[in-house]
Amino acid sequence: DAGVIQSPRHEVTEMGQEVTLRCKPISGHDYLFWYRQTMMRGLELLIYFNNNVPIDDSGMPEDRFSAKMPNASFSTLKIQPSEPRDSAVYFCASSPQGARRETQYFGPGTRLLVL
Amino acid sequence: TQLLEQSPQFLSIQEGENLTVYCNSSSVFSSLQWYRQEPGEGPVLLVTVVTGGEVKKLKRLTFQFGDARKDSSLHITAAQPGDTGLYLCAGAGSGGYNKLIFGAGTRLAVHP
Repeated sequence: DAGVIQSPRHEVTEMGQEVTLRCKPISGHDYLFWYRQTMMRGLELLIYFNNNVPIDDSGMPEDRFSAKMPNASFSTLKIQPSEPRDSAVYFCASSPQGARRETQYFGPGTRLLVL
Repeated sequence: TQLLEQSPQFLSIQEGENLTVYCNSSSVFSSLQWYRQEPGEGPVLLVTVVTGGEVKKLKRLTFQFGDARKDSSLHITAAQPGDTGLYLCAGAGSGGYNKLIFGAGTRLAVHP
């Protein structure tokens, strides 16, 4: 299995621009999570989906952030407009249903820098 | 709000030394996980502990879940440079599927 795939790995953009981060979860996993990691705040859960349906988006910082999961193999996290304080590493993780449902498998992350 | 506090935040030791990292909370968790994250990569699961008092060993790493399921520790024996990384604990609530609550992490550097 290829694991969780994220793209791009690095993104540099200017304040005000739209940023779209992409994630392909592990095939067969029913849960998908988006996290943000910074030195100051650590690893924060932004939103998670179960069977493509958003379950908890209480971690999404504000309306500039939106996430979609149009099918079981693809999800996007969009920031519009982006701001310098959005600079962070964004991780996508997926998890299977069942007894080991709490085990999360992380992608390599997208390192975002907003200038 | 459930919170997990990890200590120490930073640890710099020489190869061959032993160390213990702590993860504490005032909340009860149905299970607790330890992840290790290397630079430029995502966290990778090391172990899951479920039962209060449970001890699990992974080569030179020993993980313990507190009797009350509120805290956990990770002990590394004879640390090696390959152990260098960010160690994160994460707790899961009880009942149904619950999101993981992550601690801030312990950044370990093992010098040759």
